[in-house]
Amino acid sequence: NAGVMQNPRHLVRRRGQEARLRCSPVKGHSHVYWYRQLPEEGLKFMVYLQKENIIDESGMPKERFSAEFPKEGPSILRIQQVVRGDSAAYFCASSPGRGGHTQYFGPGTRLTVL
Amino acid sequence: AQRVTQPEKLLSVFKGAPVELKCNYSYSGSPELFWYVQYSRQRLQLLLRHISRESIKGFTADLNKGETSFHLKKPFAQEEDSAMYYCALDAGGTSYGKLTFGQGTILTVHP
Repeated sequence: NAGVMQNPRHLVRRRGQEARLRCSPVKGHSHVYWYRQLPEEGLKFMVYLQKENIIDESGMPKERFSAEFPKEGPSILRIQQVVRGDSAAYFCASSPGRGGHTQYFGPGTRLTVL
Repeated sequence: AQRVTQPEKLLSVFKGAPVELKCNYSYSGSPELFWYVQYSRQRLQLLLRHISRESIKGFTADLNKGETSFHLKKPFAQEEDSAMYYCALDAGGTSYGKLTFGQGTILTVHP
């Protein structure tokens, strides 16, 4: 069991470019969560997805950010027209069900915007 | 909205000493509380949760609803306990599954 996989581990983008972060959940897990950790801060919830559905996106910025979890393939967090303030560590977690289950975290993707 | 506060950013103790990592929360309902740990060069992992009422690696945490606290304790710290510790809350209801994290406490256990 390889656990939650995230790639790339490090991503460098210039202002205005797009960033795509991928998350492959634990095999058999159908629930995925994305969290963002800004420097010197704790993890902040962004979005919760179940296969092909967004369950809760209350933590997502209203513009430039989107997430999906298709029927096949990894979950994708997409940031369009990145700005320096988007520089952060983005963590993905997965669980076999909603709430009441342990969330298993990936190693994170560190995004740096130049 | 719920909030989790870990007042200590850094905590240093000597091996064999007791350690307590503080966690306070604000939420009007009945949340589930967790402690997650991140050892050096490893990913974040669950240490324990209040509903399990178990001891993991010698650590315990009791939910005190009156004081809205969920402090993590260990009577005799070990060097391998050095890590970043996060307290987290699941508010349940429509937010079920969504974790709210504290800012984390870096614990260093000196030999």
